[in-house]
Amino acid sequence: KNQVEQSPQSLIILEGKNCTLQCNYTVSPFSNLRWYKQDTGRGPVSLTIMTFSENTKSNGRYTATLDADTKQSSLHITASQLSDSASYICVVSARTNAGKSTFGDGTTLTVKP
Amino acid sequence: DADVTQTPRNRITKTGKRIMLECSQTKGHDRMYWYRQDPGLGLRLIYYSFDVKDINKGEISDGYSVSRQAQAKFSLSLESAIPNQTALYFCATSDQSATNTGELFFGEGSRLTVL
Repeated sequence: KNQVEQSPQSLIILEGKNCTLQCNYTVSPFSNLRWYKQDTGRGPVSLTIMTFSENTKSNGRYTATLDADTKQSSLHITASQLSDSASYICVVSARTNAGKSTFGDGTTLTVKP
Repeated sequence: DADVTQTPRNRITKTGKRIMLECSQTKGHDRMYWYRQDPGLGLRLIYYSFDVKDINKGEISDGYSVSRQAQAKFSLSLESAIPNQTALYFCATSDQSATNTGELFFGEGSRLTVL
């Protein structure tokens, strides 16, 4: 069964600090991995998309990495801001499962002043 | 205006009532999806549609039905709502072309409470 596991479940950091969120997956054969940011009560918004050949992708202060061999991804947030407080969701798609993505349960990040 | 619009945004109803959640999109995407989100859990796929004549069940379709009225419209119905269908529902679209990775674009969500 295709699965996506994220850790930690929740995280509290001080404004200005860096943090790293983890995503492990068993989805196969792999197509792409996406990180989404979901503000409370809002729809998820895409941060990064990585295919098999990509091992890093940046979007401003967000940097995602992908190790397709170990089936692990991380999302690194640099110089956190209060607006980074949100749920971060890892989503993995398989090439043979067109149209269906496997979602992680998300990591809830709280940035405190 | 939002690219993916869901109505209503909030709805409170009683057990046994019929409820319809509507979704419309201006992105011109062929693929549309309905997801359910419960607190602390990942999004789960209810139904998806790759074009107007294509409807597919997701992992949790029991108790739900859908209608793809046009390329831009995809509605979700609960024929007889029950309390455990209380959740946040999201509509999403994607464009699965050869040069596209199928990124999902989500609406703002419809919060449904069944009493």
